[in-house]
Amino acid sequence: AQKVTQAQTEISVVEKEDVTLDCVYETRDTTYYLFWYKQPPSGELVFLIRRNSFDEQNEISGRYSWNFQKSTSSFNFTITASQVVDSAVYFCALSEGDAGGTSYGKLTFGQGTILTVHP
Amino acid sequence: KAGVTQTPRYLIKTRGQQVTLSCSPISGHRSVSWYQQTPGQGLQFLFEYFSETQRNKGNFPGRFSGRQFSNSRSEMNVSTLELGDSALYLCASSFPRASGGSGTQYFGPGTRLTVL
Repeated sequence: AQKVTQAQTEISVVEKEDVTLDCVYETRDTTYYLFWYKQPPSGELVFLIRRNSFDEQNEISGRYSWNFQKSTSSFNFTITASQVVDSAVYFCALSEGDAGGTSYGKLTFGQGTILTVHP
Repeated sequence: KAGVTQTPRYLIKTRGQQVTLSCSPISGHRSVSWYQQTPGQGLQFLFEYFSETQRNKGNFPGRFSGRQFSNSRSEMNVSTLELGDSALYLCASSFPRASGGSGTQYFGPGTRLTVL
């Protein structure tokens, strides 16, 4: 069975601090996808990044960066120079690929990390 | 391109009633998935539809059902509502990899259901 663990329930930082959100996953599949979503107070889940199990390259997008390490089954997310607008709940998620690759429609989510950035 | 839309946004029902929620996917997306979000259980997968067929189902009782229409719009129905069904119901659509898409799920704003 697949499982995603976000050990940090809440993180509070002051603006301009760097912050890392941890994500550890479990799966028996060799083909899988990892995601990060942001949920602002409005409630809608906003897609941030998708990474497949064959691509361990780290990725940087502006102030956001992601570190994927298969050896430790981790997919951590770092926000550099945090801003108040980054305050939200962040979810890490996993989907396993079926053999035919026809559907990745089931996401298993972690419990989420509440990030509060103070001015 | 318009995003995923869900109607209604808010709903108040009483125990024992039934409810139908609607989801319109992003144009061109043929896969629709539904999730329930509660403070206690977090985000849980309900079911997924692709080309009008249920392809995957989460661990929910039979009171939860859904369907997808030929235009990819989807509805989910909850019968005999219980207090514990109060939640944010999120719908997501995707363009499956087998069809040349990324498979990434894009979410709607959700329907907030309150059962009294």
